[in-house]
Amino acid sequence: EDQVTQSPEALRLQEGESSSLNCSYTVSGLRGLFWYRQDPGKGPEFLFTLYSAGEEKEKERLKATLTKKESFLHITAPKPEDSATYLCAVRLRFGNEKLTFGTGTRLTIIP
Amino acid sequence: DVKVTQSSRYLVKRTGEKVFLECVQDMDHENMFWYRQDPGLGLRLIYFSYDVKMKEKGDIPEGYSVSREKKERFSLILESASTNQTSMYLCASSWGRRLRIRDTEAFFGQGTRLTVV
Repeated sequence: EDQVTQSPEALRLQEGESSSLNCSYTVSGLRGLFWYRQDPGKGPEFLFTLYSAGEEKEKERLKATLTKKESFLHITAPKPEDSATYLCAVRLRFGNEKLTFGTGTRLTIIP
Repeated sequence: DVKVTQSSRYLVKRTGEKVFLECVQDMDHENMFWYRQDPGLGLRLIYFSYDVKMKEKGDIPEGYSVSREKKERFSLILESASTNQTSMYLCASSWGRRLRIRDTEAFFGQGTRLTVV
């Protein structure tokens, strides 16, 4: 069965304290891995797409990387406004167009 | 910018009512999706559509139906609302596989928080 698992469930960091969020997947052929940010009460906001192992994408303090079994979202010197839930999703190479989501990591940055 | 607009941010409905949730996208996307999001369960796909009048069941279609009469609009229908359908409902859209191999990210609306009492 295709699965997406995110860890940790929740993470509290001091402002400026760098860390990484993990998304591991067991799927039968990956077509794309997606990272989203979600603020409370709002819809997910697209951040990155990764397609192949070794690929990296960056945006401000965020950097996403991909291996054959997992992806990391690295956050460098975070600020309080980076507090949000970060969601990871996969789209499969064979099959329909749906995204399968993990349950997310709730990130809190303490000033 | 891609815009996906859901007709309501908050809805309160009574058990047994027929409920319509509307979603409109302005990017001419082929694919449209309805998800529900519940604490601890993440986003789960209810239905999706890859073309006008075409639909496929997602992971949790029971108690729901959908309608896509126009490319830009995708409606989710709760035939007879029940309390276990209280949830955050999220609509999304994306390019279809046949047109864009790489630009396949989905864009989401702001969500509809539905409470069934």
